[in-house]
Amino acid sequence: IVLTQSPATLSLSPGERATLSCRASQSVSSYLAWYQQKPGQAPRLLIYDTSNRATGIPARFSGSGSGTDFTLTISSLEPEDFAVYYCQQRSDWWTFGQGTKVEIK
Amino acid sequence: EVQLLESGGGLVQPGGSLRLSCAASGFTFSSYGMNWVRQAPGKGLEFLSAISSDGSRTYYADSVKGRFTISRDNSKNMLYLQMNSLTAEDTAIYYCAKERGHRQPCDYWGQGALVTVSP
Repeated sequence: IVLTQSPATLSLSPGERATLSCRASQSVSSYLAWYQQKPGQAPRLLIYDTSNRATGIPARFSGSGSGTDFTLTISSLEPEDFAVYYCQQRSDWWTFGQGTKVEIK
Repeated sequence: EVQLLESGGGLVQPGGSLRLSCAASGFTFSSYGMNWVRQAPGKGLEFLSAISSDGSRTYYADSVKGRFTISRDNSKNMLYLQMNSLTAEDTAIYYCAKERGHRQPCDYWGQGALVTVSP
């Protein structure tokens, strides 16, 4: 299963809303996760099974979707949210999307 | 506190072999599946391999199937990745990661081990 993330780069200001997309080449049901990665750090699990926040993840992060189309929304960007975000499916073992970089405008 | 500490990375010549280790602590290691994921310089994440909690089931991405072997020693809380026939395309940071449940996403990751394949 191929995951395609869009856009490749999102340029926004702190306080703005970020909407990231992940599209699967075939249905992954609800088995879609989102990770955040900052430079020099390991990935951090944000969302699992489409919409469940991982432990300690702030409520400004939310996930939605089903089947082949999924969205990660950051309701109001904090300075620490500027990073690269990856989606991952576990319907057919595991694959990652290519990532979306959220950068400061 | 969950900790995953990779070791065994370094410089290896093309065609060579390397074994990565991951020492786990802070959780019941034998109860969780484990993964290896890598990231080439400036690139995205690539899932490589997974192993079930008891070690009886393994999975490999096509890119490493037949060259890499995942294993674990639950008595020592250790995860391993044996890498053979290495090429320059295997140059990456290699992460071990703990699944949050059976075949679920990984909720804890190590800091990564750098593997460089170069003459």
